[in-house]
Amino acid sequence: ETGVTQTPRHLVMGMTNKKSLKCEQHLGHNAMYWYKQSAKKPLELMFVYSLEERVENNSVPSRFSPECPNSSHLFLHLHTLQPEDSALYLCASSQVDSMNTEAFFGQGTRLTVV
Amino acid sequence: GDSVTQMEGPVTLSEEAFLTINCTYTATGYPSLFWYVQYPGEGLQLLLKATKADDKGSNKGFEATYRKETTSFHLEKGSVQVSDSAVYFCALREDSGGYNKLIFGAGTRLAVHP
Repeated sequence: ETGVTQTPRHLVMGMTNKKSLKCEQHLGHNAMYWYKQSAKKPLELMFVYSLEERVENNSVPSRFSPECPNSSHLFLHLHTLQPEDSALYLCASSQVDSMNTEAFFGQGTRLTVV
Repeated sequence: GDSVTQMEGPVTLSEEAFLTINCTYTATGYPSLFWYVQYPGEGLQLLLKATKADDKGSNKGFEATYRKETTSFHLEKGSVQVSDSAVYFCALREDSGGYNKLIFGAGTRLAVHP
């Protein structure tokens, strides 16, 4: 399997649930990203892990908790979400310290909070 | 901070029509510029890129030229096909220590009819 794979593709959860989104990259990259895509809004960068260290956290509420156990895997743990958190969550990866690097995206997880 | 502005959609064209999607940016330095495409139900795919002024990125018949004097990176295609129907995102990459801090525009939906 190649590229960036996200699971699940679709998730419906209640506001009191706890769930996790998973991302796996098979490209040998050393940086991984979480983006949020909401309707009629630009993509928002949520978190960045570079060399397995979190290097960016864009004022994301604590109900979103990322985890990067190794350079190939990235998780987004969700708890007590709000309906406005419903969105497409995109994972991406890239190679740090490469002048020609570009970000490769997964297909996303469509999250609906009810 | 850095930002990207692109024309609002939707853009509706007939097959074989000429396409232009405008994109302008604001940045303190000299960012790399990208066009990503998102087909229905999919994640983002890199369409083309340019890393310095006057560079022209091209792919699948699409072209965009990095214009520093007008801070623009307009996307063009001479003859669109129904299969080009998608959402197109203009983006710039901030210089953030090597990792891809991408700033996206809001996206422009293109619908091509036979």
